[in-house]
Amino acid sequence: AQSVAQPEDQVNVAEGNPLTVKCTYSVSGNPYLFWYVQYPNRGLQFLLKYITGDNLVKGSYGFEAEFNKSQTSFHLKKPSALVSDSALYFCAVRGVYGQNFVFGPGTRLSVLP
Amino acid sequence: GAVVSQHPSWVICKSGTSVKIECRSLDFQATTMFWYRQFPKQSLMLMATSNEGSKATYEQGVEKDKFLINHASLTLSTLTVTSAHPEDSSFYICSATPGQGNNSPLHFGNGTRLTVT
Repeated sequence: AQSVAQPEDQVNVAEGNPLTVKCTYSVSGNPYLFWYVQYPNRGLQFLLKYITGDNLVKGSYGFEAEFNKSQTSFHLKKPSALVSDSALYFCAVRGVYGQNFVFGPGTRLSVLP
Repeated sequence: GAVVSQHPSWVICKSGTSVKIECRSLDFQATTMFWYRQFPKQSLMLMATSNEGSKATYEQGVEKDKFLINHASLTLSTLTVTSAHPEDSSFYICSATPGQGNNSPLHFGNGTRLTVT
């Protein structure tokens, strides 16, 4: 069965510092991995995805994520955090065989000025 | 591109009434749409997969007679919460993907906040 873990409920970081939001996954076969961001009372916005190829994926708003097959991880990163990055972040996985998307529990990121 | 529009953004209704939520793909056709429910400070729970021209596929534990889904066209799916009760109060979000491949991301509507009094 597919699963996604985001071990941190909350991540706090100072503005201008690098940020990391962690994600690990379990899926049969090769994974398709996604990151989404959710602002209050809004739907989810797609940030980036990993399909195949380079392990470092670049996405919207300066975010990037690194796929690590041996650690089954797909951590979201940004070199310099902005206060406006404060939101709820979801990692999601889908297997190559077309299973449903499975979302992690979410991590709330707070960027402090 | 790949815009999903959801309406209404919020609704307050009395217990026992029914509420319809619409989900439209504005610039692409979607044979499949997904309906999620999100509780406060929790992740998304997939309720059902809406299939154009056929019956929806409901996840285990979701009452199909309570949450009626209709996908009458390639750009519109509706979720009707029938005989709503306060425990149905939640944030409902729809999504769809414009691509055919399994690696296409989901695109989400802005959600509907339902409050049942």
